[in-house]
Amino acid sequence: QVQLVQSGSELKKPGASVKVSCKASGYTFTTYAMTWVRQAPGQGLEWMGWINTNTGNPTNAQGFTGRFVFSLDTSVNTAYLQISSLKAEDTAVYFCARYVNGHGFDHWGQGTLVTVSS
Amino acid sequence: DIQMTQSPSSLSASVGDRVSITCRASQGISNYLAWYQQKPGKVPKLLIYAASTLQSGVPSRFSGSGSGTDFTLTISSLQPEDVATYYCQKYNSAPWTFGQGTKVEIK
Repeated sequence: QVQLVQSGSELKKPGASVKVSCKASGYTFTTYAMTWVRQAPGQGLEWMGWINTNTGNPTNAQGFTGRFVFSLDTSVNTAYLQISSLKAEDTAVYFCARYVNGHGFDHWGQGTLVTVSS
Repeated sequence: DIQMTQSPSSLSASVGDRVSITCRASQGISNYLAWYQQKPGKVPKLLIYAASTLQSGVPSRFSGSGSGTDFTLTISSLQPEDVATYYCQKYNSAPWTFGQGTKVEIK
């Protein structure tokens, strides 16, 4: 069965970096795009962008450029989200999700809580 | 960019009630519209895609309709396990924007 398993919670200081992983199993990794979604505490879902798992080409949503980098390691079927120069307002749960063309986001990771605090 | 606006932002209804949530796109998106359910503290779950197609395993009391700019998610008979926040999302082209969410509670 399709599974997306994310790395564990992170506590970081302002200015640090964090790299969240999303390991896929149960399907051919390069067939479907991977996308990232942020959910700040008590807030709604924000689409951050996506990465073409076939070409490695990332597309960042407005508001998630510069400090937010999407990458892949197709040898281990894993997508990554790296956030640099962390700020308190980056505190959120970050989800990876598989995008199926014409279907939306059909499988989601369990979410990774990133807390930024001094 | 196309904006997605949901209404109401929250609602309270009794068990067995018919509940409807609307989602309006600021420009036409054909039927590239998905609905997600997020229960408190849980991962979002795809309910409906292509505006009206039920995802496998989703109870038939959920249905979706609409095309273009106006869409509706309907729960035909509200159950206690349906307490959640519901989000619409466009995916015709990037950005794949979510609506702000509708919180559904039991009266």
